[in-house]
Amino acid sequence: TQLLEQSPQFLSIQEGENLTVYCNSSSVFSSLQWYRQEPGEGPVLLVTVVTGGEVKKLKRLTFQFGDARKDSSLHITAAQPGDTGLYLCAGVYAGKSTFGDGTTLTVKP
Amino acid sequence: EAQVTQNPRYLITVTGKKLTVTCSQNMNHEYMSWYRQDPGLGLRQIYYSMNVEVTDKGDVPEGYKVSRKEKRNFPLILESPSPNQTSLYFCASSLRPGTVYNEQFFGPGTRLTVL
Repeated sequence: TQLLEQSPQFLSIQEGENLTVYCNSSSVFSSLQWYRQEPGEGPVLLVTVVTGGEVKKLKRLTFQFGDARKDSSLHITAAQPGDTGLYLCAGVYAGKSTFGDGTTLTVKP
Repeated sequence: EAQVTQNPRYLITVTGKKLTVTCSQNMNHEYMSWYRQDPGLGLRQIYYSMNVEVTDKGDVPEGYKVSRKEKRNFPLILESPSPNQTSLYFCASSLRPGTVYNEQFFGPGTRLTVL
């Protein structure tokens, strides 16, 4: 079983601060996905990164896939209360997705 | 509206009483999957199906059954529920299984409590 470790598990910051969430594994993945989940709802895909070293930007969110395709990071600039939620990374290999434990982010006004 | 629906959304039952959680998608997706979500353990895959009449075990299949008789439906069956199956369950579907993209669309979740 391929494992994905996310850190930190919990993160509480003030509005306007920057933050980075990490997703690490000893396994190589075909791609790495980031999902966001709000209370009472299912996860929603934010981005898929495919190529080692790839960087994708989605407004204030920057996603990076490690060169060896084993790890990824999510950086949020100037966090807002609307960014509050559970962030999940998922590694895709042979069409099967393995999810990390998640990072619960709270952004205080 | 393209969506994945699950029923019921909430269920409280007792040990040993068979139950079924339904899942339906209207996007003509070939791939469907069931996950359970527990605090500190993330999402763990129970079963998945690449197409009609094709199902495979995920990481935690013990105590669960599934069937895929139609493309749109993928019910999760607990023949004899036990308290350790108390969890939040999600059904998901995907258009492009087997590819690096494999974007999964999730249902709203079913919160199950087994007493």
